[in-house]
Amino acid sequence: DGGITQSPKYLFRKEGQNVTLSCEQNLNHDAMYWYRQDPGQGLRLIYYSQIVNDFQKGDIAEGYSVSREKKESFPLTVTSAQKNPTAFYLCASSMRDGQETQYFGPGTRLLVL
Amino acid sequence: KNEVEQSPQNLTAQEGEFITINCSYSVGISALHWLQQHPGGGIVSLFMLSSGKKKHGRLIATINIQEKHSSLHITASHPRDSAVYICAAPLYGGSQGNLIFGKGTKLSVKP
Repeated sequence: DGGITQSPKYLFRKEGQNVTLSCEQNLNHDAMYWYRQDPGQGLRLIYYSQIVNDFQKGDIAEGYSVSREKKESFPLTVTSAQKNPTAFYLCASSMRDGQETQYFGPGTRLLVL
Repeated sequence: KNEVEQSPQNLTAQEGEFITINCSYSVGISALHWLQQHPGGGIVSLFMLSSGKKKHGRLIATINIQEKHSSLHITASHPRDSAVYICAAPLYGGSQGNLIFGKGTKLSVKP
């Protein structure tokens, strides 16, 4: 079945630790996105990528980093510089760009110990 | 001020009722998205529309570009429709990935 997978479902981070969230898609989509969701807030864009080896900062990129070495994969690293990382993280993809339907993964919930 | 506003924020209905969720936006857009987020967090794209009306099963989405307003209707609501419904709009001329999301409408349908 085609779709987007994210792992892990839950992730715990210690102070000063970098953690990486996985996002994989087999939809052959060019564009991939990372969003953060906080209670009572709309989704906010962290990073997006429209093509392999290229990515752009979204509205809240500080404290995060990404890579896009393969079309299928768009991992997100939450660095120790992100002081308030507790949130629900959603990965999405679309055929080409944000003007098209986006398909979402199941999400990763990140908690700080 | 959020550029995409949804109302109501919370909605409780009895099974079988007709539901309407509203979305107003203040930016120029090419199309508007309606999404459904289940209690577990997963998000499903319901509609993307740029004009008129779209229907899928018991769900109907309408948009009025001149009034910058869209509605999502659910006919014969059922408890399994309980979810958060989110509207989102990509900006004209904005960065390609820049969808602006509403804060969502939490719908609870009681049996």
